[in-house]
Amino acid sequence: EAQVTQNPRYLITVTGKKLTVTCSQNMNHEYMSWYRQDPGLGLRQIYYSMNVEVTDKGDVPEGYKVSRKEKRNFPLILESPSPNQTSLYFCASRPDSPNQPQHFGDGTRLSIL
Amino acid sequence: GNSVTQMEGPVTLSEEAFLTINCTYTATGYPSLFWYVQYPGEGLQLLLKATKADDKGSNKGFEATYRKETTSFHLEKGSVQVSDSAVYFCALSDHNRGSTLGRLYFGRGTQLTVWP
Repeated sequence: EAQVTQNPRYLITVTGKKLTVTCSQNMNHEYMSWYRQDPGLGLRQIYYSMNVEVTDKGDVPEGYKVSRKEKRNFPLILESPSPNQTSLYFCASRPDSPNQPQHFGDGTRLSIL
Repeated sequence: GNSVTQMEGPVTLSEEAFLTINCTYTATGYPSLFWYVQYPGEGLQLLLKATKADDKGSNKGFEATYRKETTSFHLEKGSVQVSDSAVYFCALSDHNRGSTLGRLYFGRGTQLTVWP
């Protein structure tokens, strides 16, 4: 089944403790992206990757890192999480063409205490 | 720059009522337009899309027409069901060459609740 898989689905942690949210897609998509969803703000892009070893900042990159060492994986790293990063996070991927829709994972709900 | 504006929610309707969720956009060039739906506890799913002016996207009884002259992509359904209760997002995909090619820009989402 074609899908985008995120882990974990839920995480409660404390300020300053490094964490990684994994994202993997099995559709051989070139483009991958991370979003955060907050009430009243919709989805905002954190980082995106046009292909392996190519990453770029979205609208809200502060406090996050990403890497794209292989096509299928695009982990999101919070080196020193803070409470303002408490949010619902989505990973997405799509083929090379911008006409094609993005496929989304089921989301990761992070709570930073 | 690119942006999407959609009507504020929440929208509450009775079953079999007519639905319209307004969406307008600002873009340089000619973007692709999408409606995504998010059911409770799930990720976003593509509902429909249109890639050029006057295209009509349709799926599951929902329709939206890409109107270049009014820069709009309003979502409509003639008879909603309880199972349509969800959050709906309008989005555009940038087609301009460069670092923003293919980026998705989302509206803030509209919560729809349908009562039996």
